[in-house]
Amino acid sequence: GAVVSQHPSWVICKSGTSVKIECRSLDFQATTMFWYRQFPKQSLMLMATSNEGSKATYEQGVEKDKFLINHASLTLSTLTVTSAHPEDSSFYICSANRQNHYEQYFGPGTRLTVT
Amino acid sequence: AQKVTQAQTEISVVEKEDVTLDCVYETRDTTYYLFWYKQPPSGELVFLIRRNSFDEQNEISGRYSWNFQKSTSSFNFTITASQVVDSAVYFCALSEPSGGSYIPTFGRGTSLIVHP
Repeated sequence: GAVVSQHPSWVICKSGTSVKIECRSLDFQATTMFWYRQFPKQSLMLMATSNEGSKATYEQGVEKDKFLINHASLTLSTLTVTSAHPEDSSFYICSANRQNHYEQYFGPGTRLTVT
Repeated sequence: AQKVTQAQTEISVVEKEDVTLDCVYETRDTTYYLFWYKQPPSGELVFLIRRNSFDEQNEISGRYSWNFQKSTSSFNFTITASQVVDSAVYFCALSEPSGGSYIPTFGRGTSLIVHP
């Protein structure tokens, strides 16, 4: 089966610093990757969709200058939370799929805590 | 309007009881996919089932069964003889085609608590 990894699995950072989260497809080429955010006891909310080699498409209400997404290769997408604040503390999940393929493969998630 | 509605926020049952988690969806596409995921406390989403819009056949997998009815736009999930290990949040999701990809929309989730 297709495997998606995320690194780190958890991170604690100080307010004002930036944090980078990596999402990798280990055994397939991911033309599209998705980033979700999940607050406690809430659903997954899509933040952005990224296609390899092009700019990410952000959902309404998501600050693109704060959440920088780079999808530089077919197996790697990164999410950088810039100038993180406590309200950015959340569970971030990525997923990936192949072109024209409906199946979503989810990463294990990254728990970000901003102090 | 929500595309995926999971009306039950939390369900509490005693072990060995049967429990049904409801999911109602909304779409204008004729081709779409429906999913159920389990999210235990660890947070990682566990894939349970996928169903495409052309396949209304119900499915049973061990203690799990799914009832897909296009007439009512529902895709309900039943756990028979529930166990404590079934305690988790369960998400129903709808995937619709968009620009060459299928983007899922998740319901709000149903928290299932199974008491011993």
